[in-house]
Amino acid sequence: AQSVTQPDIHITVSEGASLELRCNYSYGATPYLFWYVQSPGQGLQLLLKYFSGDTLVQGIKGFEAEFKRSQSSFNLRKPSVHWSDAAEYFCAVFGGATNKLIFGTGTLLAVQP
Amino acid sequence: ETGVTQSPTHLIKTRGQQVTLRCSSQSGHNTVSWYQQALGQGPQFIFQYYREEENGRGNFPPRFSGLQFPNYSSELNVNALELDDSALYLCASSLVTGGSYNEQFFGPGTRLTVL
Repeated sequence: AQSVTQPDIHITVSEGASLELRCNYSYGATPYLFWYVQSPGQGLQLLLKYFSGDTLVQGIKGFEAEFKRSQSSFNLRKPSVHWSDAAEYFCAVFGGATNKLIFGTGTLLAVQP
Repeated sequence: ETGVTQSPTHLIKTRGQQVTLRCSSQSGHNTVSWYQQALGQGPQFIFQYYREEENGRGNFPPRFSGLQFPNYSSELNVNALELDDSALYLCASSLVTGGSYNEQFFGPGTRLTVL
């Protein structure tokens, strides 16, 4: 069955430090993968997506993610975190014929000054 | 260009009642998907409407139903509310043109509390 796992429920980093949020997926074919960010009381904003081609994708707000088929992973990275990056981050895979997005349980990011 | 809007923002109901949530899709979009996000969880797909017909459904009971109107706005109806229905309900719209994936744009959600 298609699924997404985000192993880290909560991460705290210092402002200016680098960030990596983990995502593992289970999908039979070539996946379409996404990272979304959700600020308190807000909907979901798309940070970046991977469909095919270059396995390192660039997104908004200085985020990037790398698709690694051998590890079934799509980890999100940022070289220097800003206080405004504090939010919840969701990894998702497109469920193909089911026409839905399948989300992980999210990683809550806290940023220390 | 107007984004996806949802109403109401917050709603409190009691067990057994019925609720209707509304979503206006982004201009030019023809498809609406609904998701339920329980506290501490990721969004779960409820169903999708394309050209006024249900076009995919997740693992939700029949008391969750929906409509899509000719202007592509949509309603989510939940009958016989249960405590576990308390969640953030997200609507997402997209323009389906026959490709394999069409980006979904999310609204801010409706926070439903069932007492």
